[in-house]
Amino acid sequence: DQQVKQNSPSLSVQEGRISILNCDYTNSMFDYFLWYKKYPAEGPTFLISISSIKDKNEDGRFTVFLNKSAKHLSLHIVPSQPGDSAVYFCAARGGGSEKLVFGKGTKLTVNP
Amino acid sequence: ETGVTQSPTHLIKTRGQQVTLRCSSQSGHNTVSWYQQALGQGPQFIFQYYREEENGRGNFPPRFSGLQFPNYSSELNVNALELDDSALYLCASSRIWTGGWETQYFGPGTRLLVL
Repeated sequence: DQQVKQNSPSLSVQEGRISILNCDYTNSMFDYFLWYKKYPAEGPTFLISISSIKDKNEDGRFTVFLNKSAKHLSLHIVPSQPGDSAVYFCAARGGGSEKLVFGKGTKLTVNP
Repeated sequence: ETGVTQSPTHLIKTRGQQVTLRCSSQSGHNTVSWYQQALGQGPQFIFQYYREEENGRGNFPPRFSGLQFPNYSSELNVNALELDDSALYLCASSRIWTGGWETQYFGPGTRLLVL
């Protein structure tokens, strides 16, 4: 069963606009959430994370929002840049394990 | 500070063979985790090594095994290769300390093709 779901396989936005990537999870034991970005032929690169005790975390152009009651998180990128074009993975961990559980990813394309 | 490195970058094997993949962890990290990423999927946790012992395992058969060395580098061994083992194998290092865990940082991966 998929404990972390990214229901949009792809997203296309214009440069300068906001990109919103969504992620849902089912396991209530998850207490830490991360976003990774992956370019072709490279490993995933850590972007931003959020603990379950928070509902928002910002780092420059990237903001992650967590809605625990809905078991939903989202990554906002403002403003989007062509270099942000990549596959974005949502990941979660918890229940006393450092194991990361990943979604299938969303391919973001930012058009100039 | 060097990041996570993996070798080789690409590998082609035939069904039934054995393969060893290698990973050097990032400086200051004491934990290595291995993930398998099949085409179109997210990475799936294989196992983690901490203090040279397995510290958690995902839903992978025993023919997937590993080692961690005193310098925190690690090997992933896969015996009796099957066609479905074709995937990108990712290594991630992190630090476990008395206060908890830190973020996992990934290497570039090894692309394995089983024919």
